[in-house]
Amino acid sequence: GAVVSQHPSWVICKSGTSVKIECRSLDFQATTMFWYRQFPKQSLMLMATSNEGSKATYEQGVEKDKFLINHASLTLSTLTVTSAHPEDSSFYICSARNRSTNYYEQYFGPGTRLTVT
Amino acid sequence: AQKITQTQPGMFVQEKEAVTLDCTYDTSDPSYGLFWYKQPSSGEMIFLIYQGSYDQQNATEGRYSLNFQKARKSANLVISASQLGDSAMYFCAMSPISYSGGYQKVTFGTGTKLQVIP
Repeated sequence: GAVVSQHPSWVICKSGTSVKIECRSLDFQATTMFWYRQFPKQSLMLMATSNEGSKATYEQGVEKDKFLINHASLTLSTLTVTSAHPEDSSFYICSARNRSTNYYEQYFGPGTRLTVT
Repeated sequence: AQKITQTQPGMFVQEKEAVTLDCTYDTSDPSYGLFWYKQPSSGEMIFLIYQGSYDQQNATEGRYSLNFQKARKSANLVISASQLGDSAMYFCAMSPISYSGGYQKVTFGTGTKLQVIP
C-alpha cells in the first residue's frame, strides 16, 4: 500500500526558532503533496499545495514567508516553520497523491505535533 | 467554492449496532468526489470510502457504505455492526474532479466524534 511518513512525529521548540518537518512518500512517487494544519478538536485546514519542482501554492491567509515549503523530489516535501511562536503550536499533517493510481486518492502521513514554548 | 457540513459534533452507538454519520455539501463543480476519513486519537487520517458524483451506485467498503443522495447534496456514512475500534473522529471531505488528472483542493468538514459503547 501507499505509505507516507513524517518526521519528526513530535517536536518542542523555543519561541523564535525554526522547525523543519519532513514528509516522504515511501513506496510511490508523489507529484503533489499537501500540508494541513489541525488545531485541537478542529478540522484539517489546507495550508499549501506542493508540486515537485515548482513553487508551492498557499491558501489564503497562510504566510508564505513563515511557512516555507520545498518539494525537491518526487518523494520528499518539507515544511519549515520559521521564527515559531506559541500560536504556531498545532498538529501538522501532510498528504500525497500517487501519480500512477487513482487521481482522487490522498495518502496521509501520521502527523507532526509541534509545541512552541 | 466548496462547503462541507457535518452537523453532528458527537454521536454514541451501541456496539454491534449500525450508525449513520451525516454529511451535506455544496459545490458548483459539475463533477466531484466525496470522501470519508477516520481519525483515531493517534492523529493519523485513515481513508475509508470514496464516492464519485457520477457514480450510479452507492459506494461500499466492508462495513462502510456511503448513502449518496445527489439531489439532496448529502453523502452520509453508514457503519454497520459497530466495533469498539470504530471510536474516532470522522471527517467528510470533497474535491472537484479534473479529468486531466490535475490536483484539486480537498475541503474537509468539521468532523463527528463517534463513541462506541460496549
